[in-house]
Amino acid sequence: EVQLVESGGGLVQPGGSLRLSCAASGFTFSSYELNWVRQAPGKGLEWVSHISRSGSTIYYADSVKGRFTISRDNAKNSLFLQMDSLRAEDTALYYCARVGRDDYSMGDYWGQGTPVTVSS
Amino acid sequence: QSVLTQPPSASGTPGQRVTISCSGSNSNIGSNPVNWYQQLPGTAPKLLIYSNNQRPSGVPDRFSGSKSGTSASLAISGLQSEDEADYYCAAWDDSLKGWVFGGGTKLTVL
Repeated sequence: EVQLVESGGGLVQPGGSLRLSCAASGFTFSSYELNWVRQAPGKGLEWVSHISRSGSTIYYADSVKGRFTISRDNAKNSLFLQMDSLRAEDTALYYCARVGRDDYSMGDYWGQGTPVTVSS
Repeated sequence: QSVLTQPPSASGTPGQRVTISCSGSNSNIGSNPVNWYQQLPGTAPKLLIYSNNQRPSGVPDRFSGSKSGTSASLAISGLQSEDEADYYCAAWDDSLKGWVFGGGTKLTVL
């Protein structure tokens, strides 16, 4: 059974940092592209970042570019999101989402999300 | 302001057919496949339609998708109360180099 389990969320002050993790199981982790997608309270889905199978190709939304860093450890079946210089507008539930083998079916599996609150 | 445009709300009565539209541009829907997601209250999104009109296993055939040019649509036939949810469209955007979502459509079953 495919599982994605996020962790690392919490309350942080503006300007602070957090590192999110997504532990994967039930599939060959290195064979799939991955994404972080967030959802602010009461709002819609917003794509955050994308990483290729090997980690060599990475993309970011303009809203997080220069502040967030996506990475993966294929040996440990884990995806990460290092979030620095956090702002109030980064407050959201953060999901990791797998891309299907066709490279276009983004979100064929999602985690349950980890909440991030940026507030003083 | 979302890159893909969806109506904020839609509604129908049990048994009816409803459609939800998703409008984009040449760099996203015009060039790449469209996915649709269903998000029930308090849960993670679920892939409902991929590659414009393909259903993952387990998704009822009451749900169907189509695409024409820079627009796509999701149709739900035989509407049921459990279909009440938020629905999102998404596609890869070649210009932005990222995934873009619609703002979401809240479906109410009257």
